[in-house]
Amino acid sequence: GAVVSQHPSRVICKSGTSVKIECRSLDFQATTMFWYRQFPKQSLMLMATSNEGSKATYEQGVEKDKFLINHASLTLSTLTVTSAHPEDSSFYICSASPWIQETQYFGPGTRLLVL
Amino acid sequence: AQKVTQAQTEISVVEKEDVTLDCVYETRDTTYYLFWYKQPPSGELVFLIRRNSFDEQNEISGRYSWNFQKSTSSFNFTITASQVVDSAVYFCALSEGNNFGNEKLTFGTGTRLTIIP
Repeated sequence: GAVVSQHPSRVICKSGTSVKIECRSLDFQATTMFWYRQFPKQSLMLMATSNEGSKATYEQGVEKDKFLINHASLTLSTLTVTSAHPEDSSFYICSASPWIQETQYFGPGTRLLVL
Repeated sequence: AQKVTQAQTEISVVEKEDVTLDCVYETRDTTYYLFWYKQPPSGELVFLIRRNSFDEQNEISGRYSWNFQKSTSSFNFTITASQVVDSAVYFCALSEGNNFGNEKLTFGTGTRLTIIP
């Protein structure tokens, strides 16, 4: 299957700082990538759809000014959590799909802990 | 609006037993896709299967099998002869439309499966 990577795998930061998470499709190009958030023992909730070359589409209730998404190339999307707070601590997972392969492949996730 | 329900929050079975994970979905689209993903303790989601709405054939892959029934809007997952390595959280998911890789997924709440040695 297709490979999606994320960096970093885990990060600890102080409240008020910004954190950038990278999502890369390693062996395919993806015009669309997705960002999900998963709180402990809960399901994955879609945060936003990242579109290469255009603005991201955010789900209802997700603050676009707090969660900045940049899809700079066909293999890279970044999620920046700005002015992070302890309630932003979560597991962030991205996904991408090779064109017309009908299956989303997920990155290994990034565990964010905000102190 | 689309919705996926996994009524079983947690299941524990003794190794070598068979176990079925239930998934019921709701959608207004006639074209949609259903998925199962496995999430081991490491956190990474592992793709298991994709099924489109026009293909109701059941599928078997080794110890895994899936039963898709449109009449009851269900897409159940059975593991036969369970093993400890099957312990994980399993998610059922749905996407609507043609799904050329750019349709968002709606996930169920997941079922935590524990296989007891």
